[in-house]
Amino acid sequence: EVQLMESGGGLVQPGGSLRLSCAASGFTFSSYWMSWVRQAPGKGLEWVANIKKDGSEKYYVDSVKGRFTISRDNAKNSLYLQMNSLRVEDTAVYYCARDPFERPEHFDYWGQGTLVTVSS
Amino acid sequence: SYVLTQPPSVSVAPGKTASITCGGNKIGSKNVHWYQQKPGQAPVLVIYNDSDRPSGIPERFSGSNSGNTATLTISRVEAGDEADYYCQVWDRSSDHYVFGSGTKVTV
Repeated sequence: EVQLMESGGGLVQPGGSLRLSCAASGFTFSSYWMSWVRQAPGKGLEWVANIKKDGSEKYYVDSVKGRFTISRDNAKNSLYLQMNSLRVEDTAVYYCARDPFERPEHFDYWGQGTLVTVSS
Repeated sequence: SYVLTQPPSVSVAPGKTASITCGGNKIGSKNVHWYQQKPGQAPVLVIYNDSDRPSGIPERFSGSNSGNTATLTISRVEAGDEADYYCQVWDRSSDHYVFGSGTKVTV
């Protein structure tokens, strides 16, 4: 059974940092593109970043470029999101999600999400 | 950047058919995917590649895509179908996943 489990969320002050983790199981993690998708309270879904199977390609939404870094450790079946210079508008539930195709297309499995709150 | 436009809400009576549109420039040339999200839960893929259903998704869910509009159709709507629905594409020009703003389906 495919499982994705996020952790690392919490309350942080504006300008602070946080590192999210996503533990994957039930599939060959190194064979899939992975993404982070977020959802602000009461709002819609917003893709944040993705990373290629071997980590050689990474893409980001413009609003987080230069502040967030996506990475993965295929030996540990884990996906990460390092978030620096956090802003109030980064407050959201952050989901990790798997893309089943050889190139980015869509998400077939999602984690349950971890809440990040940026507030003073 | 590529923009997907969805109606904020759709209301449908039980047993009837709900149609949710997703508008985008030449969206018919892209693969469109649809997600269902119930309150407090993660999104669930219900349609991929315009009209394919993942295993476990009822046949009542179908999709189409042509021109500037993609459509998710839910036939014989049930109370359990009440949720937010999002369309999504991969925009190759920007290397970004793009989501629509979401449609709340009320039964």
